[in-house]
Amino acid sequence: KAGVTQTPRYLIKTRGQQVTLSCSPISGHRSVSWYQQTPGQGLQFLFEYFSETQRNKGNFPGRFSGRQFSNSRSEMNVSTLELGDSALYLCASSLYDSGRDEQFFGPGTRLTVL
Amino acid sequence: GESVGLHLPTLSVQEGDNSIINCAYSNSASDYFIWYKQESGKGPQFIIDIRSNMDKRQGQRVTVLLNKTVKHLSLQIAATQPGDSAVYFCAETSPYSSASKIIFGSGTRLSIRP
Repeated sequence: KAGVTQTPRYLIKTRGQQVTLSCSPISGHRSVSWYQQTPGQGLQFLFEYFSETQRNKGNFPGRFSGRQFSNSRSEMNVSTLELGDSALYLCASSLYDSGRDEQFFGPGTRLTVL
Repeated sequence: GESVGLHLPTLSVQEGDNSIINCAYSNSASDYFIWYKQESGKGPQFIIDIRSNMDKRQGQRVTVLLNKTVKHLSLQIAATQPGDSAVYFCAETSPYSSASKIIFGSGTRLSIRP
């Protein structure tokens, strides 16, 4: 069974631009969580979606947003990019509940903001 | 591949030896702990978990020890192989808590000497 896929794998943007990242969960999984990973801060939770509804949101500014589609695929958007947004963005899917079911991570999208 | 963290503590181990990776957790209320392995260019992968009502749990070639008195976790890898090269990090949470409640450690890079 295919794992979690994320596109694109690498992205270079400039300050002020906006970006959209995509995540396709494992087939049948309905919960998708997004994380930001940086060398200084480690893995930080961004948001979690289930059945097209945001269940939880981490402590990130409103420039970070996301959504989930009826097929469980999810996108996250970052507007007005800042240099500090450079990071590896990971998504993870779980069957129903990220708290109860194991999370499976995708390979991430490496975003570089110049 | 991608480097997850450029300034992580590093553990260098001879191939065939046992590896011990340590983690101090922060929240005394945490009662569920997970170890992840992250290889270069990939997302974190679940290795083993342990609940606070246990002090030891064994998997295939891996053992996790939990010392709640000093809030310390360790991951032991037996007969370390080249494929074990990766960043390892622990995570703390509570059972049935959502992804938003998981606290991830910063990680240790394990390198294997031939």
